[in-house]
Amino acid sequence: EAGVAQSPRYKIIEKRQSVAFWCNPISGHATLYWYQQILGQGPKLLIQFQNNGVVDDSQLPKDRFSAERLKGVDSTLKIQPAKLEDSAVYLCASSLTRDRPNFGPGTRLTVT
Amino acid sequence: QKEVEQDPGPLSVPEGAIVSLNCTYSNSAFQYFMWYRQYSRKGPELLMYTYSSGNKEDGRFTAQVDKSSKYISLFIRDSQPSDSATYLCAMSAGAGGTSYGKLTFGQGTILTVHP
Repeated sequence: EAGVAQSPRYKIIEKRQSVAFWCNPISGHATLYWYQQILGQGPKLLIQFQNNGVVDDSQLPKDRFSAERLKGVDSTLKIQPAKLEDSAVYLCASSLTRDRPNFGPGTRLTVT
Repeated sequence: QKEVEQDPGPLSVPEGAIVSLNCTYSNSAFQYFMWYRQYSRKGPELLMYTYSSGNKEDGRFTAQVDKSSKYISLFIRDSQPSDSATYLCAMSAGAGGTSYGKLTFGQGTILTVHP
């Protein structure tokens, strides 16, 4: 079974620029998550999708972050404009049911 | 106070040692408990999953949950250099609510096993 795919793996941008991350979950997984992992901390949930719908986005900074899940499969996470404190690894995960998510390799974002 | 507390270490042990990793939590709604292993520059990988108090064993790994004390542990027997990684505890509430499936992670413990 192919794992969760993410791209790009690394991204460096200047503050106030925009950036987008892409995620392709494991085939057939209805639940998709985006987590933010700041250096030295555990991942924090940003948004959880169940098929096309948003289940939980309570910790998503909606003034600058947005996410969508196209046709219940791939997902994109966008940051506009980026701040220095957005430097982190952005992890996409998916699960068949709403537990035990499988994580992708992450996108490491550096905002300068 | 954080919902999940985990000692960040770092923890350094010799090969063959028994390793004990621990987390405490404050949210009584947590029903499912997991341990993830994260190698440098990789995503977290699920090691252990349990939903009841008691012990669960898988090879060299044993997960222990004590819901009455809100305390979970991961034991690694006969530790190997390949076990060197960050270990994250994670937990989630049960089905029926909007937070079902949302994992709350500990800070992670950095483990190094020396040959």
